[in-house]
Amino acid sequence: AQSVAQPEDQVNVAEGNPLTVKCTYSVSGNPYLFWYVQYPNRGLQFLLKYITGDNLVKGSYGFEAEFNKSQTSFHLKKPSALVSDSALYFCAVREGSQGNLIFGKGTKLSVKP
Amino acid sequence: NAGVTQTPKFQVLKTGQSMTLQCAQDMNHEYMSWYRQDPGMGLRLIHYSVGAGITDQGEVPNGYNVSRSTTEDFPLRLLSAAPSQTSVYFCASRGPLVLNEQFFGPGTRLTVL
Repeated sequence: AQSVAQPEDQVNVAEGNPLTVKCTYSVSGNPYLFWYVQYPNRGLQFLLKYITGDNLVKGSYGFEAEFNKSQTSFHLKKPSALVSDSALYFCAVREGSQGNLIFGKGTKLSVKP
Repeated sequence: NAGVTQTPKFQVLKTGQSMTLQCAQDMNHEYMSWYRQDPGMGLRLIHYSVGAGITDQGEVPNGYNVSRSTTEDFPLRLLSAAPSQTSVYFCASRGPLVLNEQFFGPGTRLTVL
């Protein structure tokens, strides 16, 4: 079965510093990976996805993610964090022929001024 | 476009009561899904549908029913509410390709006493 793991419950970063939110995956076959963000009391919003091709994927709001097949990782990154980036971040992997998503438990990102 | 809409935003039920959570989308998406979000557990798939008249179970279907009589609507029914169903419920829809991203509604916060 497909699965993703987000090893950190919370990540704390100072504004202006680079940020990384970690995700590792376990899949049979090709991995199709997604990142979503959830702001307080809101639904999830799509950030980016890896299907194939370049290992560095660029997404919304200046975020990018690096796919590493040998380490089975798909870490979310941003060169310079903003206070407004504070939110809950979810990594997800596609499962099955219908394209259902399996989500990680989420990582709370806190960016302090 | 309104996107994915959910009603109600909040609901309190007593154990044993039944209710229906409404979900609608105006993007003509065939695929729709229901998730529940619990602290520390991420999002878990309850039921999904790949088109009108077609539904299937996800990871945690027990205690929930769904139907899909139109492309636009995908209601979730709780037959006899239990405290374990206290959660935040999200509906989502997706375009025709299985690797398209999903669009999420704003959620329904349900408390079962």
